[in-house]
Amino acid sequence: AQSVSQHNHHVILSEAASLELGCNYSYGGTVNLFWYVQYPGQHLQLLLKYFSGDPLVKGIKGFEAEFIKSKFSFNLRKPSVQWSDTAEYFCAVKSSSNTGKLIFGQGTTLQVKP
Amino acid sequence: GAGVSQSPRYKVTKRGQDVALRCDPISGHVSLYWYRQALGQGPEFLTYFNYEAQQDKSGLPNDRFSAERPEGSISTLTIQRTEQRDSAMYRCASGQGAREQYFGPGTRLTVT
Repeated sequence: AQSVSQHNHHVILSEAASLELGCNYSYGGTVNLFWYVQYPGQHLQLLLKYFSGDPLVKGIKGFEAEFIKSKFSFNLRKPSVQWSDTAEYFCAVKSSSNTGKLIFGQGTTLQVKP
Repeated sequence: GAGVSQSPRYKVTKRGQDVALRCDPISGHVSLYWYRQALGQGPEFLTYFNYEAQQDKSGLPNDRFSAERPEGSISTLTIQRTEQRDSAMYRCASGQGAREQYFGPGTRLTVT
């Protein structure tokens, strides 16, 4: 069965620090990969996505993620975080062969201290 | 245009009661998805529709849960004879086929 593992459950950083959130998935076929973010009091928003092509994808607000197929990983990065990046981050995977369900990781709570 | 809307935003019900949660997707979106999210966890897939056809209901936990989308737009998720373990955030998303899914604000269900 498909599964997604996010290794960091709670991360605390100071402003301007660099961020890397780990995401590994378990699935034998071709996948589409996503990072969603939930800011306090708001709903889930798409941060970035990978369908095909360049494995380094850039999203909104300076975030990027790299798909490493051999490692089944899709880690999220940002060179310099801001206080406004405080949020919960979810990695998700979907089989590329259907239009259906996303499998989510359990999420990482990021707290950025000013 | 308007995003995905869900109603009610909060629902408190007593154990044994039936509840109906509504999702209004982004206009023109073919696909509609329901997820459930427990505290401290990621969203968990329940079911999804393309137009009015329910394509996958493998995530519905038992036969107390059902969903419909009769005209290919608004969808209702119904939970019969609610139990305390049904308490969670219920999230709806819509999308255009195989592309990204856009989420609504969710309905927080509390069963007392």
